[in-house]
Amino acid sequence: GIQVEQSPPDLILQEGANSTLRCNFSDSVNNLQWFHQNPWGQLINLFYIPSGTKQNGRLSATTVATERYSLLYISSSQTTDSGVYFCAVTGGYQKVTFGTGTKLQVIP
Amino acid sequence: DAGITQSPRHKVTETGTPVTLRCHQTENHRYMYWYRQDPGHGLRLIHYSYGVKDTDKGEVSDGYSVSRSKTEDFLLTLESATSSQTSVYFCVTGGNTEAFFGQGTRLTVV
Repeated sequence: GIQVEQSPPDLILQEGANSTLRCNFSDSVNNLQWFHQNPWGQLINLFYIPSGTKQNGRLSATTVATERYSLLYISSSQTTDSGVYFCAVTGGYQKVTFGTGTKLQVIP
Repeated sequence: DAGITQSPRHKVTETGTPVTLRCHQTENHRYMYWYRQDPGHGLRLIHYSYGVKDTDKGEVSDGYSVSRSKTEDFLLTLESATSSQTSVYFCVTGGNTEAFFGQGTRLTVV
């Protein structure tokens, strides 16, 4: 099956700093999404981005499908950005595979 | 999110008892998945379904079975619960386009 790797595994930021999270995948995919799991365990869709670039407020994402990676940018980080960020890819047979996540802690 | 409801949200059960978790969706999504989330292991696929009566195993399917008799319902059964099945279980729907998560079920096996 498709392998999905995320980096870094852990990240600590001072409030106001910027960061880039990376998702590498091992094969061509049909879809790619970024999710945020907040400290209460709820998983929220951030981006559906099989290719190209999207922006939503302080967050943006870019997927380069031909090179099999996606990047999630967080600018001017806030404490509410803390949690775990997952990327998920959908490959053949529509099976969804998740990365292991990046745990982000934003400190005031 | 996206009309997905998991039940129960929390459950404590004894070792050896059968347990069924339910995922109900109102979005007519074709694809449904059950994942478990454990510290240090991320999200691991248990079973998935491409449609009614069409299911397949994921990477951690031992000790679990599923059924999908209607598009909107995907049931996960722990046939004889063990302590190693203490976890948070998430239902995911979608797959053809976007995937959506249920709220999760926290299961504790004592």
